[in-house]
Amino acid sequence: GAVVSQHPSRVICKSGTSVKIECRSLDFQATTMFWYRQFPKQSLMLMATSNEGSKATYEQGVEKDKFLINHASLTLSTLTVTSAHPEDSSFYICSALAGFSNQPQHFGDGTRLSIL
Amino acid sequence: GQNIDQPTEMTATEGAIVQINCTYQTSGFNGLFWYQQHAGEAPTFLSYNVLDGLEEKGRFSSFLSRSKGYSYLLLKELQMKDSASYLCAVILRSGGYNKLIFGAGTRLAVHP
Repeated sequence: GAVVSQHPSRVICKSGTSVKIECRSLDFQATTMFWYRQFPKQSLMLMATSNEGSKATYEQGVEKDKFLINHASLTLSTLTVTSAHPEDSSFYICSALAGFSNQPQHFGDGTRLSIL
Repeated sequence: GQNIDQPTEMTATEGAIVQINCTYQTSGFNGLFWYQQHAGEAPTFLSYNVLDGLEEKGRFSSFLSRSKGYSYLLLKELQMKDSASYLCAVILRSGGYNKLIFGAGTRLAVHP
């Protein structure tokens, strides 16, 4: 089946560091990728939708200058958390859709980000 | 706004049947998913409903009523490994593409 790879799986870094997370679709072309954030014991909150070749669409309350998203190819989207602070510590998960039909979204394994 | 409601927690006994309900009030409904998520892991797909009725898949079944904005996930012959969070998610159509919005999730604890 379709597989989505997310890297790195875990990041621990100092406050003020910028962190890049990659999301790759391994055996299909992902026209749309989604980025979610999940705090402990809470559900997934959609941060932004990334369409190949165009600017990402951010959900209300998500700072676009803080969370930079690039979807340069049909198999790769990146999320960069700029100047990360302890409150940005969270579980970040990407998912990918092949085409525009109602297919199950396939999730990456997630990235646990810890900012000291 | 978009609203998806599910119970926060449920408990059940090994071997029993449990039903997890989900109600939604959203615009641009385009289907509903159920996912299972173990702590610290990404969600895994369980079921998808876009038309009214019941979809059965082994020990798991999911039901949808679009007119009532209601779905449930039915788990039969519960096993200890079914202890997890179950996420109801609705597909919304926005700007020409689909996006998936999640409910808060239901934490299910299965006891011997």
